[in-house]
Amino acid sequence: GAGVSQSPSNKVTEKGKDVELRCDPISGHTALYWYRQSLGQGLEFLIYFQGNSAPDKSGLPSDRFSAERTGGSVSTLTIQRTQQEDSAVYLCASSLDPGRGPGELFFGEGSRLTVL
Amino acid sequence: GDSVTQMEGPVTLSEEAFLTINCTYTATGYPSLFWYVQYPGEGLQLLLKATKADDKGSNKGFEATYRKETTSFHLEKGSVQVSDSAVYFCALKSSNSGYALNFGKGTSLLVT
Repeated sequence: GAGVSQSPSNKVTEKGKDVELRCDPISGHTALYWYRQSLGQGLEFLIYFQGNSAPDKSGLPSDRFSAERTGGSVSTLTIQRTQQEDSAVYLCASSLDPGRGPGELFFGEGSRLTVL
Repeated sequence: GDSVTQMEGPVTLSEEAFLTINCTYTATGYPSLFWYVQYPGEGLQLLLKATKADDKGSNKGFEATYRKETTSFHLEKGSVQVSDSAVYFCALKSSNSGYALNFGKGTSLLVT
């Protein structure tokens, strides 16, 4: 597609349930990022992929959070046993090889997660 | 660690007013600096960037100058329009932060 695509756009779940959020980056972009946007907290970095590997997982807030990327393309962010504090907008971004300089990040519109 | 601090909003201005949104940073080395904008209902998009000291980034009438001596990258526009209403994020990228951008908390701008 023309831009970064995320699904679902909205997800309401009950506390304790698992959720999966999907990101389809721009074709040809080797780098993929997940951020979390909480009210009043700005953008919190979660994880970065270069190809299918994740050299930087430093931002994942707990072991309930995991992410994978397959085929150098689609990525899935999984949150297990969701808690109310997980409620946020989860943003995905992609870019060309970041090792070649401070490239522009292209963001999707986000997946809004509400945990009841 | 690296960080970005930007002025808290919301900022409310009348059309054609002058805009300044302050941004300061803490980083080792020589980071690249960015302003991203998020219009209502849309994803973040790059507004402008500067990669070295004294560079000026500009786009859509917005400008920001990379000031190493004051570790700042303030966003300015001489005459805002209603269509500029959005949330503005200052961000930096340095070798110490890997390949991810560090974002500020965002400043909401409402132009009436």
